[in-house]
Amino acid sequence: GAGVSQSPSNKVTEKGKDVELRCDPISGHTALYWYRQSLGQGLEFLIYFQGNSAPDKSGLPSDRFSAERTGGSVSTLTIQRTQQEDSAVYLCASSFGTSGYEQYFGPGTRLTVT
Amino acid sequence: GDSVTQMEGPVTLSEEACLTINCTYTATGYPSLFWYVQYPGEGLQLLLKATKADDKGSNKGFEATYRKETTSFHLEKGSVQVSDSAVYFCALSDPGSARQLTFGSGTQLTVLP
Repeated sequence: GAGVSQSPSNKVTEKGKDVELRCDPISGHTALYWYRQSLGQGLEFLIYFQGNSAPDKSGLPSDRFSAERTGGSVSTLTIQRTQQEDSAVYLCASSFGTSGYEQYFGPGTRLTVT
Repeated sequence: GDSVTQMEGPVTLSEEACLTINCTYTATGYPSLFWYVQYPGEGLQLLLKATKADDKGSNKGFEATYRKETTSFHLEKGSVQVSDSAVYFCALSDPGSARQLTFGSGTQLTVLP
């Protein structure tokens, strides 16, 4: 079956522009996570959605970052007024639940802010 | 807060050599422990996991044992292959932290023929 998909695979944007990154989780997975992979910081948790519960936003680095999940499926991560330090690979993962279930990762979106 | 410390890389081995990548953790609860692997040009994949103390996870010849007394989850393989060249990440999932993964910094492994 289809895995987690993310789009675009690569995004180059100018400093100060807004960007939207999309994640399509595996069908039936109720939990969805966003992570960021950067050279200086490694892999960092950003935000987590579980079903219809309020998202856990504790990992978002600033208020320029936001995310939503529509209909319990597709998620969009939005970065406003991008900065060069936002350059990273943004990874999305989904899982069937949260209690010991494996997280399946998408291929990531490589964001470059010039 | 939770943290994972894994050995610095890069690690370069000859084919059929033994591999150990050390991983230790700090967590407030009773975490589940994972090793993820990222092959060149590919996404993260779960390699193995252990959910409670003394559990041994294994897959593709790799093993790791959940040691609560030493808070460790070292990755081992008796005979590596060129195809094992990848970046390996140790991670934990703490039930008190909404189950998101906390990752180590990653260890680059290169296996030479």
